Amino acid sequence: DVKVTQSSRYLVKRTGEKVFLECVQDMDHENMFWYRQDPGLGLRLIYFSYDVKMKEKGDIPEGYSVSREKKERFSLILESASTNQTSMYLCASTPRVPGTEAFFGQGTRLTVV
Amino acid sequence: AQSVTQLDSQVPVFEEAPVELRCNYSSSVSVYLFWYVQYPNQGLQLLLKYLSGSTLVKGINGFEAEFNKSQTSFHLRKPSVHISDTAEYFCAVHTNAGKSTFGDGTTLTVKP
Repeated sequence: DVKVTQSSRYLVKRTGEKVFLECVQDMDHENMFWYRQDPGLGLRLIYFSYDVKMKEKGDIPEGYSVSREKKERFSLILESASTNQTSMYLCASTPRVPGTEAFFGQGTRLTVV
Repeated sequence: AQSVTQLDSQVPVFEEAPVELRCNYSSSVSVYLFWYVQYPNQGLQLLLKYLSGSTLVKGINGFEAEFNKSQTSFHLRKPSVHISDTAEYFCAVHTNAGKSTFGDGTTLTVKP
């Protein structure tokens, strides 16, 4: 069974902390994505990566950075967490085959206090 | 650029009634069309997709969707819903480059 695994389901962090969200996929997919999901706003793309060590900004990259040192792992970093980053974070991956669906992790619900 | 509009943010319906969740899209390039479902506290999973060919596509759990190129729509339907269909549904377009754009989601609530 294919899998995208996010390291934490729930996280509570303090304002100003550096936060790491980890995502691992076991499908050898080239593309990986980080989304933020807020009620009524759908999924908004933060960053994506088409290959190891490559990254591109999505629609809302401010306050975030990413790292992709290995093909299977894509990390989202909040350099200095703020309360407006309280949200559900979803990781997804796709192969480099047009028309293939995205495979999602279970999500990480982050609360910044 | 691509955009996806889900015309209803919430759809309440009684069990065994039919339902339609509406989705319109716009794109300057060719796209593939998808519907995903998200059950509470879970990630999204594929419901169905349209790549080419027949405009009526069938997915899991008895759902189907019809691609209408002239109206740039991809509405999702089910003839008889169950309580277990209560979830959030997302319409999405994917480009050849692998980038996805999602709608804001429609919350389907099935009442007994």
